[in-house]
Amino acid sequence: DAKTTQPNSMESNEEEPVHLPCNHSTISGTDYIHWYRQLPSQGPEYVIHGLTSNVNNRMASLAIAEDRKSSTLILHRATLRDAAVYYCILRDRGGSQGNLIFGKGTKLSVKP
Amino acid sequence: NAGVMQNPRHLVRRRGQEARLRCSPMKGHSHVYWYRQLPEEGLKFMVYLQKENIIDESGMPKERFSAEFPKEGPSILRIQQVVRGDSAAYFCASSPPAGGRNEQYFGPGTRLTVT
Repeated sequence: DAKTTQPNSMESNEEEPVHLPCNHSTISGTDYIHWYRQLPSQGPEYVIHGLTSNVNNRMASLAIAEDRKSSTLILHRATLRDAAVYYCILRDRGGSQGNLIFGKGTKLSVKP
Repeated sequence: NAGVMQNPRHLVRRRGQEARLRCSPMKGHSHVYWYRQLPEEGLKFMVYLQKENIIDESGMPKERFSAEFPKEGPSILRIQQVVRGDSAAYFCASSPPAGGRNEQYFGPGTRLTVT
């Protein structure tokens, strides 16, 4: 399975944008890039996913490099509630891999 | 549309007892996944089920653990003869048919404590 690499931790100030990077240099042409986050003492929560084009939803934006070897999750205005561990996960389009493979993720701290 | 429901939220068992964890998927979802999160660690996949079928149990310990997803009712993760090392948070997720496009929706988890 293609692997992802993320920084262990990042800090942000409240109401500032946050850019969370993810490297996936061995990504295959059929892999979707998914992002999940886990708030303290809660289950993981889906954030966003994309294949080739940049994606936006109410929670975040996903910027995908042209060669697809990296991507960036963008929180436009961080709030204290965005403090969580963020996971970048690759999923095969064909569905051969049913489960999500969680790495260590990036622990985001948000300062007031 | 109710989300994924898990119960109980907290479960305390003595060593040697059985633990039964229940998961009701989101309405319309026929695929269920169980994950375990040990204290201070990441989530690890355990088992993937569709109605009445186990699709992938590669993450399940070989002994004492079993899972089912009957035609009617919730999915059940059963741990027999629990040991202290089974203490963890167990999360259930559901999805439409598996595929790279489809996200998984997680429940709040069951926190199992073995005394």
